[in-house]
Amino acid sequence: DGGITQSPKYLFRKEGQNVTLSCEQNLNHDAMYWYRQDPGQGLRLIYYSQIVNDFQKGDIAEGYSVSREKKESFPLTVTSAQKNPTAFYLCASSVYRDRGEEQFFGPGTRLTVL
Amino acid sequence: GENVEQHPSTLSVQEGDSAVIKCTYSDSASNYFPWYKQELGKRPQLIIDIRSNVGEKKDQRIAVTLNKTAKHFSLHITETQPEDSAVYFCAAVNQAGTALIFGKGTTLSVSS
Repeated sequence: DGGITQSPKYLFRKEGQNVTLSCEQNLNHDAMYWYRQDPGQGLRLIYYSQIVNDFQKGDIAEGYSVSREKKESFPLTVTSAQKNPTAFYLCASSVYRDRGEEQFFGPGTRLTVL
Repeated sequence: GENVEQHPSTLSVQEGDSAVIKCTYSDSASNYFPWYKQELGKRPQLIIDIRSNVGEKKDQRIAVTLNKTAKHFSLHITETQPEDSAVYFCAAVNQAGTALIFGKGTTLSVSS
């Protein structure tokens, strides 16, 4: 299961605190994605990036921020503005083409707000 | 906006039976349709995908069919086994080809 990693596996946060989730890949993929997974809700796209120093909002970007300073890394910050941050967060990467390609997922981070 | 509807949300079958999961999409420009399997506590993994230039694709016990006119595609699993028990997600690429839009998932339970 190598190639794309996320840390930590479990994260606890107090209300009002920002927290950053790590995502790293060594697949030389251009594109990276962040999803939020809630029971019965599927995978909802938060942010994505096709190239270094560029990223776009997904369907549920409010209360989240990202950066893409290196090709290998796409960290996600959950800010205090996110009203219901407790969820399972998945990072993914793919070769970028304009027609869709397989996405490879990391093992996920489960965030709990206390 | 772009949307993918997936049905049913849960599906229970006996070992050896077939299972069918159906998805519809809203963006007629979508041209790539993958299916992912997520076992309990694990990450989603691609099991099969299809592009809009073909109507059917098969890989052993798994097949996917695509009807572009009706904007729906289906996953067919034959001779189901207990290890097929998982959550299955369909997806469609957005118009720009930059991201996948996922369905809400189907929890498949195969009992022996």
